[in-house]
Amino acid sequence: DAGITQSPRHKVTETGTPVTLRCHQTENHRYMYWYRQDPGHGLRLIHYSYGVKDTDKGEVSDGYSVSRSKTEDFLLTLESATSSQTSVYFCAISEGTGPGGYTFGSGTRLTVV
Amino acid sequence: ILNVEQSPQSLHVQEGDSTNFTCSFPSSNFYALHWYRWETAKSPEALFVMTLNGDEKKKGRISATLNTKEGYSYLYIKGSQPEDSATYLCAFEDSNSGYALNFGKGTSLLVTP
Repeated sequence: DAGITQSPRHKVTETGTPVTLRCHQTENHRYMYWYRQDPGHGLRLIHYSYGVKDTDKGEVSDGYSVSRSKTEDFLLTLESATSSQTSVYFCAISEGTGPGGYTFGSGTRLTVV
Repeated sequence: ILNVEQSPQSLHVQEGDSTNFTCSFPSSNFYALHWYRWETAKSPEALFVMTLNGDEKKKGRISATLNTKEGYSYLYIKGSQPEDSATYLCAFEDSNSGYALNFGKGTSLLVTP
């Protein structure tokens, strides 16, 4: 979607290695979110941010950390990747000024071997 | 974690059939309810955002209703077409957690000619 990009789009990594996924926005939205998508689970919230250096945990935060040092970038780090973290990761942004107004990125497919 | 339930889990209908799905969500502290259409490997596509009890929204052959007092929403598809095949997600917008979307597991719809 215009205004939000995720990188990389695909990544294969080995168990035990650290991995960082990047979400970049050009909309100047306050709120940013990381979700993971797995069969039978829909989309589950990992972490979210409500401003620069302001982050909080979501439903499935174990094994993940995030950082937001500037408005436009929200980084998701898998500290030591495991096979259970093989998934498709989606970033989303929201103005937070009223219901709705979410934009999702195109997703990052991560495979941990 | 807010519990959002969707039923049925999957549905297989013939072209031309009308169908409907259910989403149930916590009725306390309601803020907004979202419906998304989602195809594998693509970003979720927003269908509706509903905020008021009794809301009804329509987009072509797809419509949705909202009952915030009892905590449920229905999504209807009239005259299903093969291109309607997708997963339909509902999400509860949580104003207490950075306006994050709490998704149900989705209803997978397959429409065959």
